[in-house]
Amino acid sequence: AQSVTQPDIHITVSEGASLELRCNYSYGATPYLFWYVQSPGQGLQLLLKYFSGDTLVQGIKGFEAEFKRSQSSFNLRKPSVHWSDAAEYFCAVEFAGGTSYGKLTFGQGTILTVHP
Amino acid sequence: DGGITQSPKYLFRKEGQNVTLSCEQNLNHDAMYWYRQDPGQGLRLIYYSQIVNDFQKGDIAEGYSVSREKKESFPLTVTSAQKNPTAFYLCASSRFNGQVVGEQYFGPGTRLTVT
Repeated sequence: AQSVTQPDIHITVSEGASLELRCNYSYGATPYLFWYVQSPGQGLQLLLKYFSGDTLVQGIKGFEAEFKRSQSSFNLRKPSVHWSDAAEYFCAVEFAGGTSYGKLTFGQGTILTVHP
Repeated sequence: DGGITQSPKYLFRKEGQNVTLSCEQNLNHDAMYWYRQDPGQGLRLIYYSQIVNDFQKGDIAEGYSVSREKKESFPLTVTSAQKNPTAFYLCASSRFNGQVVGEQYFGPGTRLTVT
């Protein structure tokens, strides 16, 4: 079965430091890739997405992510973290075709804490 | 403004009672989804629907039921058969072209507590 792994359950960074959140997915043809953010008790907000083309995608709030097919990864980055970035981040993948079409598979999430 | 509404925000029920969670969208999306979220487990798909009057079981459908009588509405019933119903429930919707979903848009969620 297709799967998505976020290896880091919890990450703590200082405000102003750079950030990288990791996401790996099991092999699948033509993945569509997403990063979402969730504040406590709220729904999920889409940060960015990759469907095709340039493997470095820009999103909202200064985030970017790079798709590396050879590593089956889609890591999220931000050069300088702000205190308001503290939240939980989810990577999600849609595996087009087969029995998985029409569904997203989510990673378990990474909780980001930002220290002043 | 277009979006997804879920009501109520908080819901409390006694064990053994069925409860229905509301989800409405005005985005004209064909597909709608219900997820359950528990701490440390990410989002797990309960049911999804890609067209009116049709829906499919997700990964954890046991103890839940849904209907899709209107494009805008996708209510979820948590039945007494669901062994651990206390959780945060998220509804989502997306466009669907018959092959690819693309991004999903989420509602604010309903926190259900069963005692």
